[in-house]
Amino acid sequence: AQSVAQPEDQVNVAEGNPLTVKCTYSVSGNPYLFWYVQYPNRGLQFLLKYITGDNLVKGSYGFEAEFNKSQTSFHLKKPSALVSDSALYFCAVRDPQAGTALIFGKGTTLSVSS
Amino acid sequence: ETGVTQTPRHLVMGMTNKKSLKCEQHLGHNAMYWYKQSAKKPLELMFVYSLEERVENNSVPSRFSPECPNSSHLFLHLHTLQPEDSALYLCASSQDIGGSSYEQYFGPGTRLTVT
Repeated sequence: AQSVAQPEDQVNVAEGNPLTVKCTYSVSGNPYLFWYVQYPNRGLQFLLKYITGDNLVKGSYGFEAEFNKSQTSFHLKKPSALVSDSALYFCAVRDPQAGTALIFGKGTTLSVSS
Repeated sequence: ETGVTQTPRHLVMGMTNKKSLKCEQHLGHNAMYWYKQSAKKPLELMFVYSLEERVENNSVPSRFSPECPNSSHLFLHLHTLQPEDSALYLCASSQDIGGSSYEQYFGPGTRLTVT
């Protein structure tokens, strides 16, 4: 069965510092991996995805994520955090062999202080 | 904005009421989804429609009844709900489901409170 884990409920960083939001996954085959962000009172917004190819994926708002097959991870990163990056971040995985369901992690709250 | 709209944004209903949530996507997508988002829990996929046909129903209680009259509109009809059904209900769409690599675009959600 496919699953995704976000081990941290909250990540706190200072503005200007690099940030990492962790995600690990479990699928039987090659995964499709996604990151979404949710601002207060809003729906989820797509940030980036890994389907195949280069392990480093670049997305919206300066975010990037690195696919690591051996560690089954897909951590979200940004070199320099902004206060406006404060939001709830969701990692999601789909096993293309297993149907349509996109499985979401429980989310990580990112708080960037000025 | 993402191109997916939801109405109403907030809804308070009693357990004996009947109400409907509406979702509309302006992206020309073929697939639409209903999710339930509860505090401290992962998003729960409720229903998936592809070209107006339901392709997935994740053991959702019958008090939730979806309807997809065309590829741009999706409804969630509610009746005889329970307080534990209070949550944020999110609608999403994607270009298709067949390729499985398409990202989903979400609406802002309907905050439902069952009293």
